Amino acid sequence: KAGVTQTPRYLIKTRGQQVTLSCSPISGHRSVSWYQQTPGQGLQFLFEYFSETQRNKGNFPGRFSGRQFSNSRSEMNVSTLELGDSALYLCASSLAAGLAGGNEQFFGPGTRLTVL
Amino acid sequence: GENVEQHPSTLSVQEGDSAVIKCTYSDSASNYFPWYKQELGKGPQLIIDIRSNVGEKKDQRIAVTLNKTAKHFSLHITETQPEDSAVYFCAASRSGGGADGLTFGKGTHLIIQP
Repeated sequence: KAGVTQTPRYLIKTRGQQVTLSCSPISGHRSVSWYQQTPGQGLQFLFEYFSETQRNKGNFPGRFSGRQFSNSRSEMNVSTLELGDSALYLCASSLAAGLAGGNEQFFGPGTRLTVL
Repeated sequence: GENVEQHPSTLSVQEGDSAVIKCTYSDSASNYFPWYKQELGKGPQLIIDIRSNVGEKKDQRIAVTLNKTAKHFSLHITETQPEDSAVYFCAASRSGGGADGLTFGKGTHLIIQP
């Protein structure tokens, strides 16, 4: 069974631009969560989507948004990029929403975003 | 919200020795505690997890212990091997509906010396 795939793997943008990252979950998984990983702040929860609805959102500004499609694939968008948005953006999929027993999260390899 | 502290930030052990990484959490409602291993250029990989109704869980050379009263949990790796070298993250969360995603510790860089 294929794992979580994320595209693109690397991206370079300049301040003020916007970016869209894509995530395809493991086949059969319906929940997708997004995390930001930086050396200073570590891994931080961005948001979770299930059945095309955002269930939870972390403490990030409104410039960070996402959506989920009917096939469970998800995209996240960052508008008006800032230097501090440079990070590894990780997507994690799970069978259902939440983290109840048997519903572990599995991560993709991430998209490395560099903002110049 | 939840806050997870992880120690040490770097741990160097001789091959074959044991390694222990410790984490504390702040939210007494947290009941799910996974551990992830991240190798260079890859995403975190789930290696073991424990839920608050269990005090200890073991999977071959890896074990996790949980002390709910003290709000801390630990990862134990025995008979360490070179392929165990990586960054390890602990995390905590409430399970079920209303979960706010995983809250991670800052990570431990485990170095296995030959």
